[in-house]
Amino acid sequence: NAGVTQTPKFQVLKTGQSMTLQCAQDMNHEYMSWYRQDPGMGLRLIHYSVGAGITDQGEVPNGYNVSRSTTEDFPLRLLSAAPSQTSVYFCATSTGFFAKNIQYFGAGTRLSVL
Amino acid sequence: AQTVTQSQPEMSVQEAETVTLSCTYDTSESDYYLFWYKQPPSRQMILVIRQEAYKQQNATENRFSVNFQKAAKSFSLKISDSQLGDAAMYFCAYVQGGSEKLVFGKGTKLTVNP
Repeated sequence: NAGVTQTPKFQVLKTGQSMTLQCAQDMNHEYMSWYRQDPGMGLRLIHYSVGAGITDQGEVPNGYNVSRSTTEDFPLRLLSAAPSQTSVYFCATSTGFFAKNIQYFGAGTRLSVL
Repeated sequence: AQTVTQSQPEMSVQEAETVTLSCTYDTSESDYYLFWYKQPPSRQMILVIRQEAYKQQNATENRFSVNFQKAAKSFSLKISDSQLGDAAMYFCAYVQGGSEKLVFGKGTKLTVNP
């Protein structure tokens, strides 16, 4: 049982390049979310989804796009990477409302934008 | 907007001793949930303990317990009989009931000395 799988683990981009961070889960969880973690800032919510076809913005959505076509996958797209997007990105899943249900986190993707 | 403050960037404790990590939060809501997450060097975020605001009883999980002071908006984590494996970053987090927007503090780095 893989749980929450994030790929790649590390990525280096040049300013202006695009890429997609992948998040896949095999726990059949409806709720999925993306966070970024910056030094001294804690985790901040980027986007989240409460089910296939439904997404919403979190605290810091600018510069990122998401879609949720299946229950299993929730990719995060950077259309034109900027140095300010250098961070560690975490995907998380939950069976239901984040408040009442445990969130399971992936191992993270470390992204550097030069 | 809700905020979560962890005033101790770093803490240290001797193995087998007890340590308390502080967390305060700011909210005008009455329905909310509070969490402590552990992030070891592997980067994987792990839920340590959860507290529902409507419950007066402090949550406990084995060696981990909280001191929830609702009126003071304080939510501290006590780790008893500290073990080397407890060394990690600890994050306090808040979510309003019915919301999916989890708000994290900046974290406290805990070192456990043998």
